[in-house]
Amino acid sequence: NAGVTQTPKFRVLKTGQSMTLLCAQDMNHEYMYWYRQDPGMGLRLIHYSVGEGTTAKGEVPDGYNVSRLKKQNFLLGLESAAPSQTSVYFCASNKGGLDTQYFGPGTRLTVL
Amino acid sequence: DQQVKQNSPSLSVQEGRISILNCDYTNSMFDYFLWYKKYPAEGPTFLISISSIKDKNEDGRFTVFLNKSAKHLSLHIVPSQPGDSAVYFCAAGLSGSARQLTFGSGTQLTVLP
Repeated sequence: NAGVTQTPKFRVLKTGQSMTLLCAQDMNHEYMYWYRQDPGMGLRLIHYSVGEGTTAKGEVPDGYNVSRLKKQNFLLGLESAAPSQTSVYFCASNKGGLDTQYFGPGTRLTVL
Repeated sequence: DQQVKQNSPSLSVQEGRISILNCDYTNSMFDYFLWYKKYPAEGPTFLISISSIKDKNEDGRFTVFLNKSAKHLSLHIVPSQPGDSAVYFCAAGLSGSARQLTFGSGTQLTVLP
């Protein structure tokens, strides 16, 4: 099992460009999450999904959109990137409830 | 306003000694607490958890203590090993909610050989 994988690992964007981060899990988990990690801030929840076809806003959703068209994939989109979105992005998944969240290795995004 | 705080950004401990990492929270509704460990260039991995009905949970060298009246939890690692060097995040959640976790800012633990 690969667990949770994230594509790409690194990316540099210019202000105003768009991109999509892909998260894939092979554990048949219902719940998936997108977090961002910034220095001194810990991990903050951007959006999450409780099942295929569902999405919900987390703590810091502005500037991001998500889609969960397939159970195993959770996409995070930036329509018009801003320097404030420079961060490390982590995807996670779990069965739901208080089950342990399993994290991917992260995507380091820099917006110039 | 951070609801989960780790006030020590870093901690250095000698190999074989005890490491104590601390975490404070402000939301008294939190009823489930976790610790995650993160190595560089990897995602966080689950370490240990505790529910609010307990005040202690142990797993090998790792013990988490919860003091609900003080809204404080701590992670004890005994004995500390160089491989324990990592960033440790505490997290808190509500068992009846939408499964969102609130994370602290992390503590970098360095275990010196």
